Amino acid sequence: GQQLNQSPQSMFIQEGEDVSMNCTSSSIFNTWLWYKQDPGEGPVLLIALYKAGELTSNGRLTAQFGTTRKDSFLNISASIPSDVGIYFCAGQEGDMRFGAGTRLTVKP
Amino acid sequence: DAGVTQSPTHLIKTRGQQVTLRCSPKSGHDTVSWYQQALGQGPQFIFQYYEEEERQRGNFPDRFSGHQFPNYSSELNVNALLLGDSALYLCASSLFAGRNTGELFFGEGSRLTVL
Repeated sequence: GQQLNQSPQSMFIQEGEDVSMNCTSSSIFNTWLWYKQDPGEGPVLLIALYKAGELTSNGRLTAQFGTTRKDSFLNISASIPSDVGIYFCAGQEGDMRFGAGTRLTVKP
Repeated sequence: DAGVTQSPTHLIKTRGQQVTLRCSPKSGHDTVSWYQQALGQGPQFIFQYYEEEERQRGNFPDRFSGHQFPNYSSELNVNALLLGDSALYLCASSLFAGRNTGELFFGEGSRLTVL
């Protein structure tokens, strides 16, 4: 089963608002990743983090690798309608484990 | 440059039957991983193939087996299907040299329904 606890499960926000989601684990991971999945498609990699404490940005997205190596955070600034989708965290230690996802809805 | 392609996109089987799903990796990639994604859940790792051998395996029974061909394409086979095997099966390709970077490229998946 899932080893990663991702929250919140869903978010309903207004266009232009900022979004924060996080992922925690009882296990240590060497790599944390964030993916986005649109309906009918496979997940697409957004950001990869390789070092504890690392803060990485990709446009309006910013993610951090927690210092304990057991958590990660993803922030989306100034949300737009195309941000709608399911966001998954994933931790890699050999194989890759995914969280259950955060479903984001953006209201225009 | 073709991305990861999977077939079939949808299929319906009955309990006890067997199914084969196919995947062609992104051009230049040599490693294929398979994931099962149940409705409302994140993908769960089934196994990974490199150089035609299973390199890693997740917590799935032996009913799930696979194969990788010399051209790097791969098949996932599931025997004695159960209702609980209904899911989206995702194939992801990568470079073995970058296997710890998380840089997986996913296909659109094969949606299996078991009745």
